[in-house]
Amino acid sequence: DAGVIQSPRHEVTEMGQEVTLRCKPISGHDYLFWYRQTMMRGLELLIYFNNNVPIDDSGMPEDRFSAKMPNASFSTLKIQPSEPRDSAVYFCASSNLAPGSYNEQFFGPGTRLTVL
Amino acid sequence: GQSLEQPSEVTAVEGAIVQINCTYQTSGFYGLSWYQQHDGGAPTFLSYNGLDGLEETGRFSSFLSRSDSYGYLLLQELQMKDSASYFCAYNTGFQKLVFGTGTRLLVSP
Repeated sequence: DAGVIQSPRHEVTEMGQEVTLRCKPISGHDYLFWYRQTMMRGLELLIYFNNNVPIDDSGMPEDRFSAKMPNASFSTLKIQPSEPRDSAVYFCASSNLAPGSYNEQFFGPGTRLTVL
Repeated sequence: GQSLEQPSEVTAVEGAIVQINCTYQTSGFYGLSWYQQHDGGAPTFLSYNGLDGLEETGRFSSFLSRSDSYGYLLLQELQMKDSASYFCAYNTGFQKLVFGTGTRLLVSP
């Protein structure tokens, strides 16, 4: 398996522009997570899905952020409009729940976002 | 509230043993995980403790004491490639993880 795939790997945009980050989870995984990592705030969970349904979006910072998972193999995180404070590395991760066991999360390579 | 505390940085030499501690405070706890992240890379899973005690995986071991809200990661026979950041994270249930701020490990020759 190719692992979790994220695109783009790097994104530089100007304040006010719309940014869309994409993620393809590992095939067969039924959980998908979006994280943001910064030096100041560490690794924060933004939102996660189970079987394409958003379960917990309490980490989404504000209405400028939205996430969708239209099918089991694709998810997007959108920021509109973007602001300089959104600059961070955004990770997507996926996992597969097996009854009675803990399931590690597999992280993608991340998207490094810079908002000027 | 929910929080985890780890030392910000630990230094050691090749071949040594190092312990990274993690204390947590949460109302819902299902287990403690450890992840490794090299500079510029993604976090990768190292270990999980769902029950009290020691879990061993090669050179790495992890320990959990629920009564003390405490865990640690033990790295033995340190190698240069172990230089990385190490995160503890607790599972709140429903697959949700809350990560600590990370410990940067520097291994010198």
